[in-house]
Amino acid sequence: KQEVTQIPAALSVPEGENLVLNCSFTDSAIYNLQWFRQDPGKGLTSLLLIQSSQREQTSGRLNASLDKSSGRSTLYIAASQPGDSATYLCAALDPSNTGKLIFGQGTTLQVKP
Amino acid sequence: EAQVTQNPRYLITVTGKKLTVTCSQNMNHEYMSWYRQDPGLGLRQIYYSMNVEVTDKGDVPEGYKVSRKEKRNFPLILESPSPNQTSLYFCASSRTTSPPSYEQYFGPGTRLTVT
Repeated sequence: KQEVTQIPAALSVPEGENLVLNCSFTDSAIYNLQWFRQDPGKGLTSLLLIQSSQREQTSGRLNASLDKSSGRSTLYIAASQPGDSATYLCAALDPSNTGKLIFGQGTTLQVKP
Repeated sequence: EAQVTQNPRYLITVTGKKLTVTCSQNMNHEYMSWYRQDPGLGLRQIYYSMNVEVTDKGDVPEGYKVSRKEKRNFPLILESPSPNQTSLYFCASSRTTSPPSYEQYFGPGTRLTVT
């Protein structure tokens, strides 16, 4: 059974710092891995999708990597800004053909001005 | 604008009073699903639909019903809500789920409180 873990649960950094959020999964048989952002009381905004055949994806200041052999994905945020403060969730697409995303518990990021 | 919409966004109701949460997408996606998000339990799939008239149970389907009569709509029905269904609900859609798999898009969420 696929399990997804995100550590740490919370992170506080000063503005301008580069940072890495971690996501680990137990079963390397994933179709893809998707990173989301969730603001308090709001919906999930998709940030990046990495297919199982890819190693990384980039969008602006965000870069996500995927290493299936080690069961890890990272989200790199460059030059963090206060507006980046949110909860970041990673989710692995379960290969059961249900379209189910297996979510981690999330990392709550606070970027201080 | 490509989006998934949900209504209502907030709902407070009483035990046993039937309710429907609507979900609609304008991207012509085949796949739609419902999740609930609870503190400490994260997001869990309730039901999903591969296409029109094709629905199936997710991990926590008890107490819920769905229908998919049109491609764009996927309502979630609570026939007799109970307090343990108090949660934040999300609808999601995707072009398909067959490899190569596509990005899933989520709605803004519906916060339901059952008293």
